[in-house]
Amino acid sequence: GAGVSQSPSNKVTEKGKDVELRCDPISGHTALYWYRQSLGQGLEFLIYFQGNSAPDKSGLPSDRFSAERTGGSVSTLTIQRTQQEDSAVYLCASSPLGSSSYNEQFFGPGTRLTVL
Amino acid sequence: DQQVKQNSPSLSVQEGRISILNCDYTNSMFDYFLWYKKYPAEGPTFLISISSIKDKNEDGRFTVFLNKSAKHLSLHIVPSQPGDSAVYFCAASAVRVGGKLIFGQGTELSVKP
Repeated sequence: GAGVSQSPSNKVTEKGKDVELRCDPISGHTALYWYRQSLGQGLEFLIYFQGNSAPDKSGLPSDRFSAERTGGSVSTLTIQRTQQEDSAVYLCASSPLGSSSYNEQFFGPGTRLTVL
Repeated sequence: DQQVKQNSPSLSVQEGRISILNCDYTNSMFDYFLWYKKYPAEGPTFLISISSIKDKNEDGRFTVFLNKSAKHLSLHIVPSQPGDSAVYFCAASAVRVGGKLIFGQGTELSVKP
């Protein structure tokens, strides 16, 4: 079956511009997570959705970052007024069960964002 | 503060031998641990997991060991194959805080023929 998909796969933007990154989770997965991996670093948690609500936004680095999820499916991560330090690979993951159960997360291929 | 640490950035092993990747954590709230494998330009792929009520979980060539008292886990791959060459991340989560994963920095494994 189809896995997690993300678009675009690559995005190059100029400092100060806004960008939107999209994630299509595996159908039926209720939980959706955003992470980012900066050069030479591990994956860093950004935000978590259960259905359309976001009970944990603690990883968003600044108020320039926001995310929403609609219909319990597609999610969009928006970065306003991008800065060079936002350059990273942004990864989306989904999992089939809610936060009350142990289950692995399935990752998409990521969006590589480069801010010039 | 780094709650999950992989202190070896790289590991080189001969094909057929055992690969041992290590991971340490600091937060006692973690109750579920996972290993992911990542190839360049791809997302991480789930390998194996273990809950804190167990000390060992085995799946084919992959075995994960958990030592709760030492807050240490390890992934054993035996026998190692060239196709195992990738970056391996350990991750920890706590159900009570929504299951988000806290990742280590990764260990790049190279299996030489």
